[in-house]
Amino acid sequence: DIQMTQSPSSLSASVGDRVTITCRASQGISNYLAWFQQKPGKAPKSLIYAASSLQSGVPSKFSGSGSGTDFTLTISSLQPEDFATYYCQQYNSYPWTFGQGTKVEIK
Amino acid sequence: QVTLRESGPALVKPTQTLTLTCTFSGFSLSTSGMCVSWIRQPPGKALEWLARIDWDDDKYYSTSLKTRLTISKDTSKNQVVLTMTNMDPVDTATYYCARTRRAGGSGYLLDYWGQGTLVTVSS
Repeated sequence: DIQMTQSPSSLSASVGDRVTITCRASQGISNYLAWFQQKPGKAPKSLIYAASSLQSGVPSKFSGSGSGTDFTLTISSLQPEDFATYYCQQYNSYPWTFGQGTKVEIK
Repeated sequence: QVTLRESGPALVKPTQTLTLTCTFSGFSLSTSGMCVSWIRQPPGKALEWLARIDWDDDKYYSTSLKTRLTISKDTSKNQVVLTMTNMDPVDTATYYCARTRRAGGSGYLLDYWGQGTLVTVSS
């Protein structure tokens, strides 16, 4: 199975900050990577697919990049509604696997 | 409008078999490229993908849980059923179903999720 490792596991940031989360795959996955946002008690929400394509309706402050084994999710200007846990997921090969999550908290 | 809703028992005993149903609307599993996946999340932990069933009845399973899982569909009812045998307390989790669709050259995407259903395994 492909292991997905996110860093950091948690971070504290202020409103308006630029935030970057990293996801590393244990082997190459081309660009078959998605990012999800999850708020407490809610289902995950799809943000990005194919490493850098924004899902319909997702604001452009979210962006993704990377290919192969190293990927990033960037939030350009953190807003109160962005405080959540973020997960990466590879869908290059079965079984699909998720990262352990990165919790973005208010500083 | 795409919606999915999971249903099933909130409490199961160890060794029992869990049966969960995903009832969906806004798409059809008879449409080429449409699929439904199951994902679970133990309390306070990360997401774990479990299984996927495709419009053409292809099925894919988690490596570690493959021997315990069965996924099936009833296209006429817009339902997907997941069964998991020999339940254990470590299987306590919120179970989600999610629409999965083929996105051209971008593979298969989990795009719409149900609200999830919490299943507790305890005697």
